[in-house]
Amino acid sequence: GAGVSQSPRYKVAKRGQDVALRCDPISGHVSLFWYQQALGQGPEFLTYFQNEAQLDKSGLPSDRFFAERPEGSVSTLKIQRTQQEDSAVYLCASSAGEGGGYTFGSGTRLTVV
Amino acid sequence: SQQGEEDPQALSIQEGENATMNCSYKTSINNLQWYRQNSGRGLVHLILIRSNEREKHSGRLRVTLDTSKKSSSLLITASRAADTASYFCATVLPSGGYNKLIFGAGTRLAVHP
Repeated sequence: GAGVSQSPRYKVAKRGQDVALRCDPISGHVSLFWYQQALGQGPEFLTYFQNEAQLDKSGLPSDRFFAERPEGSVSTLKIQRTQQEDSAVYLCASSAGEGGGYTFGSGTRLTVV
Repeated sequence: SQQGEEDPQALSIQEGENATMNCSYKTSINNLQWYRQNSGRGLVHLILIRSNEREKHSGRLRVTLDTSKKSSSLLITASRAADTASYFCATVLPSGGYNKLIFGAGTRLAVHP
């Protein structure tokens, strides 16, 4: 597609539920990033994929967070046993490679109640 | 933790005035990028300045970079109400064979008609 697509746009989860957030990057983009953005803050790095390889997961806040990109295109961020502090906007970005800007999706706003 | 710090945190101006936002960072970078975010939306890439560049222009935007002071500024000239948004600087760090994008906390700009 023309841009990075994320779904769902909004998600309300009860505390303890598992959620799965989807990212469709721009076709052919090698690099894919996930960020978490709390209200009024800048995006915080979560994880990075180069094709299907997860090269950096240093930003994942706990082992309840898991990301995958099995075929090097669509990526899923899964959060198990959601907590209230997981409430945030989750942003996905993709890039063709070195040296350029990144294209962001509109994000998924997760609210844990 | 975030690499960049924006200053000011919030800025309120009248249409037609210029808006200047500053960003400081801590470590060596490959390049620095500025992004814009409208409320409830994803980030839009505005401009990229490489570590060996000192100034760059794009339309009404002017970005400067001072690597000796580890700082950058974004100037928006002749502001419009439509420029109301949050603006983030993001530093691109070399990290394990790929470029990692790290954001600051942002400046919230309000342009009043």
